Amino acid sequence: QKEVEQNSGPLSVPEGAIASLNCTYSDRGSQSFFWYRQYSGKSPELIMFIYSNGDKEDGRFTAQLNKASQYVSLLIRDSQPSDSATYLCAVNGFRNDMRFGAGTRLTVKP
Amino acid sequence: GAVVSQHPSWVICKSGTSVKIECRSLDFQATTMFWYRQFPKQSLMLMATSNEGSKATYEQGVEKDKFLINHASLTLSTLTVTSAHPEDSSFYICSARGAGELFFGEGSRLTVL
Repeated sequence: QKEVEQNSGPLSVPEGAIASLNCTYSDRGSQSFFWYRQYSGKSPELIMFIYSNGDKEDGRFTAQLNKASQYVSLLIRDSQPSDSATYLCAVNGFRNDMRFGAGTRLTVKP
Repeated sequence: GAVVSQHPSWVICKSGTSVKIECRSLDFQATTMFWYRQFPKQSLMLMATSNEGSKATYEQGVEKDKFLINHASLTLSTLTVTSAHPEDSSFYICSARGAGELFFGEGSRLTVL
């Protein structure tokens, strides 16, 4: 079982819709969870992090964490074409490194 | 915010040669830096953890004699791909923690002919 799993997509949504990205992780002891956005040929950039169960909102982005289900999600409201990218779910490793999922490719169509 | 710089951004080399990639934390000190590798359409895979003043910690399956890591100062870590082969062609990304957040370098795309 992979440490961090994501649906690779592609996920396609129309402009203005809600995009929902999902992630599961295997280490029940994980405490910190992150969502990164990566444009083609570029390094990842941090969108949000979440530590506690529940929802965390930041602008158009909402991260949701359910530790009992070992599940993290990212909702993007009012999706824009500029949101088209690969979204990486990441979990803090035991050496304080970062373990990444394979990423979900999102396309927002105008 | 904190900045991590990588150099070079692109490198093309012949098979059998060695290539050095530098990773610098520009406005903070990083006792630990991480090196990742990303093949096309795949995720970032942690290769090794670079520790200032001590040996790097390599992930399982990563050859430490092939991927030499040196972290001689609090702001610089280097990754040397020795005797590179075409299968080593990839996007190499370093990262470092600053103010509790993990910052990534711009990445270095290596192409081995």
